[in-house]
This record gives sequence, structure tokens and C-alpha cells, in this order.
Amino acid sequence: ELKVEQNPLFLSMQEGKNYTIYCNYSTTSDRLYWYRQDPGKSLESLFVLLSNGAVKQEGRLMASLDTKARLSTLHITAAVHDLSATYFCAVVPNYGGSQGNLIFGKGTKLSVKP
Amino acid sequence: DGGITQSPKYLFRKEGQNVTLSCEQNLNHDAMYWYRQDPGQGLRLIYYSQIVNDFQKGDIAEGYSVSREKKESFPLTVTSAQKNPTAFYLCASSQNLNTEAFFGQGTRLTVV
Repeated sequence: ELKVEQNPLFLSMQEGKNYTIYCNYSTTSDRLYWYRQDPGKSLESLFVLLSNGAVKQEGRLMASLDTKARLSTLHITAAVHDLSATYFCAVVPNYGGSQGNLIFGKGTKLSVKP
Repeated sequence: DGGITQSPKYLFRKEGQNVTLSCEQNLNHDAMYWYRQDPGQGLRLIYYSQIVNDFQKGDIAEGYSVSREKKESFPLTVTSAQKNPTAFYLCASSQNLNTEAFFGQGTRLTVV
């Protein structure tokens, strides 16, 4: 059974600082998603990572995928308050995998304080 | 405006009642999904459908039922057999089972 673990689950940051959120998964996959969720809202797609070594950047966020280590990272550079949200990674396993098998981590709740 | 519409946004149900959550999409997507989210948790898959008149159980299908009579619509019924139905329910759709899913705005169901 595929397990997806995020850490930390809670992260309080000061504005201007850098930090990394980690997403580990337990079986082979080369399709991983990062989503953002604001309180009481839907999920917003941030990044789709489809191959080993994939790196994508949007503004202050950068995501990477290492399929050999079964690890994805979401790096935050010079955090600002607007980045406060919960961030989820989600993984599709290679074996028998489809969107119907998408497994989510528990999310990392990020709070950026002045 | 293309997108996924869930209704209602908030729903209250008395114990023992069935209730149906609506999900409509005008993206011409073949696949649709229902997820449940509990506080502090990730999303868990209830049901998904890859084509009209076909659907598959997800990880937590017990106490739920779905139908897919039209491509655009994938309603979810929360039955009285669902022991703990209070949660945030998210509908999603994708072009097919191998492409990225996009999410609706969610329905918050509370049992009173």
C-alpha cells in the first residue's frame, strides 16, 4: 500500500526566511502533485512533477522530485504572509496507477508571520 | 466559464437522512472523483468514474453511493449508513485517469 508522508505537518515561519517541506512516499512513482489549500477552500494545483530530477518554480515556490529517493521537496524562498496555507503533496503509484489511485499526504500547514 | 461546480456550499443533515451532493463540470472531462477531507487530514477517495455509466469504489466507499448518467454530472449520496458523515467533500475531474485532476469548491456537510 502506498503511503505518503509529509513533514513537517505544521510550520511557523517568519517573513523573509527560507524553508523546505518534504514529501516521502513508499512505492515507486514518477507522477507527483503539489496543491495549495486556503482555509475552507478548494485545492489549487501548484506543480505537476513527472520525472526524476524534475524541478519547477513559480514565484517563491520551487518543487523538485527525486524518484530514486522517493522524495519531493517544496522549497519556500523569502516567505511572505500570502503564502500562509496548507500544502499537500499527492502521488500516483507506478504499479496500477491512475488518478483513481492518487494518494494524498496529510498536508503541511504553513503560517508566515511578520 | 469552464469549471467544476459543487452545490450546495454548506449542507446540514439530520441523523438518519440521506443527502445528495451535486457536482457538475463543463470541461468535457471523462473522469470524475469524490474525495472526503477531515480536519487536519489529507483527502481520501470515495468513488471515481472514468466514463459515463461506470464508477469504481475508492478507499472509503462504505455508506456512500454515486451515479454517472451524464458526462457532466457525478452526484454523491451520503446515506444513513455512513456513521460519521460530517466532513468537507471535494469533487474533481480530469480529462482521463492519467491526467491531472482539478477540484471544485467543496461542500461542507454537517450532521445535526
